[in-house]
Amino acid sequence: QSVLTQPPSASGTPGQRVTISCSGSSSNIGSNTVNWYQQLPGTAPKLLIYSNNQRPSGVPDRFSGSKSGTSASLAISGLQSEDEADYYCAAWDDSLNGQVFGGGTKLTVL
Amino acid sequence: QVQLQESGPGLVKPSETLSLTCTVSGGSVSSSSYYWSWIRQPPGKGLEWVGYIHYSGSSNYNPSLKSRVTISVDTSKNQFSLKLSSVTAADTAVYYCATTDNYYYFMDVWGKGTTVTVSS
Repeated sequence: QSVLTQPPSASGTPGQRVTISCSGSSSNIGSNTVNWYQQLPGTAPKLLIYSNNQRPSGVPDRFSGSKSGTSASLAISGLQSEDEADYYCAAWDDSLNGQVFGGGTKLTVL
Repeated sequence: QVQLQESGPGLVKPSETLSLTCTVSGGSVSSSSYYWSWIRQPPGKGLEWVGYIHYSGSSNYNPSLKSRVTISVDTSKNQFSLKLSSVTAADTAVYYCATTDNYYYFMDVWGKGTTVTVSS
């Protein structure tokens, strides 16, 4: 049982826009920034979004993040086949005094 | 550009201690900007934060693993290490090391990961 809650799966067709939600509580998302990671099959996770909505250098602007209250979302526009991956949200949790992850969302490009 | 490489035994017996090392290249483990983290991923499952250390020696561990985990840093070798004691099959996972921003806690550089299996 992960501290942050994500849907286990999401899907879309090429060119479509998809969103992945991440729900937490006042001790994590409600009081700290959210980061998102993309994990392509068989590879290490890669930082996709940091500090709620910032993209590291090299990440396409098709990827965007937002946060409101105790929830956050990752949006992917202009979906491409290479976006098929697992996506994880993460945040610091003040109560646990540690980093917590969502359970991950497997994105399928139909 | 910082790069990280995990190393250590791929097979550990139950009740023994798992020991892994992360070698830092292209940067210094003495950087004050980073924490140096370990994250693991059991087969077919999600990511779990294990803990981090700062070059100053301050550390923080996942409460669920705290009694068994030690993370240390060796500035002379530009490495940091993970020790997990009394392992069971539940500790079988891919173990990643990563840099962690010491303010926003995002992990922006990851190693490729190393698979550790706990089995007799």
